[in-house]
Amino acid sequence: EVQLVESGGGVVRPGGSLRLSCAASGFTFDDYGMSWVRQAPGKGLEWVSGINWNGGSTGYADSVKGRFTISRDNAKNSLYLQMNSLRAEDTALYHCARDHGYGSGSYYTPNWFDPWGQGTLVTVSS
Amino acid sequence: EIVMTQSPATLSVSPGERATLSCRASQSVSSNLAWYQQKPGQAPRLLIYGASTRATGIPARFSGSGSGTEFTLTISSLQSEDFAVYYCQQYNNWPPGGTFGQGTKVEIK
Repeated sequence: EVQLVESGGGVVRPGGSLRLSCAASGFTFDDYGMSWVRQAPGKGLEWVSGINWNGGSTGYADSVKGRFTISRDNAKNSLYLQMNSLRAEDTALYHCARDHGYGSGSYYTPNWFDPWGQGTLVTVSS
Repeated sequence: EIVMTQSPATLSVSPGERATLSCRASQSVSSNLAWYQQKPGQAPRLLIYGASTRATGIPARFSGSGSGTEFTLTISSLQSEDFAVYYCQQYNNWPPGGTFGQGTKVEIK
């Protein structure tokens, strides 16, 4: 069974940092791109960042560019999101998702997401 | 940026009836469109990709159609487990990133 389990969320003050992790199992991790998608409380879905199979291509939403960094460790079947300079508007449930996208040079192009993890909650508040 | 607009915001349907959900793109996304179902407290689940291809394990009562700017998700005969929020997502134009619609809630009439 394909499974994605996120961890690392919590409460952090504005300007603070947090590192999210996603543990993958049940599929060949390095065959796929991966993405982070967030959902603010009671709101819709927003793609945050994606990475290709070997980490050579990455992509970010404008809202997080320069503050968040995505990475992966294929030996550990794990995906990460380093979040710095956090703002109140970053408060959301962060899902990792297997992505059918692809890398083009240094830039990653996400496609559709299947499956998704249950998410880890990040709350940015003073 | 491409804007995805879903309608209606809420759809009230009786079990066994057909539900038709719409998604409109502000410019053409070809057939690069996916549909997801999300139930309360759960992660989204992929239903359709490529505008009309059902994902693995998705029942045949779910079907997608359309291309360009107009798309439809049809649930032919609503079951109790189908009451949920449905999102469309285009993945034709990146960067800055693909976009989701705001969702359609399908509720019991």
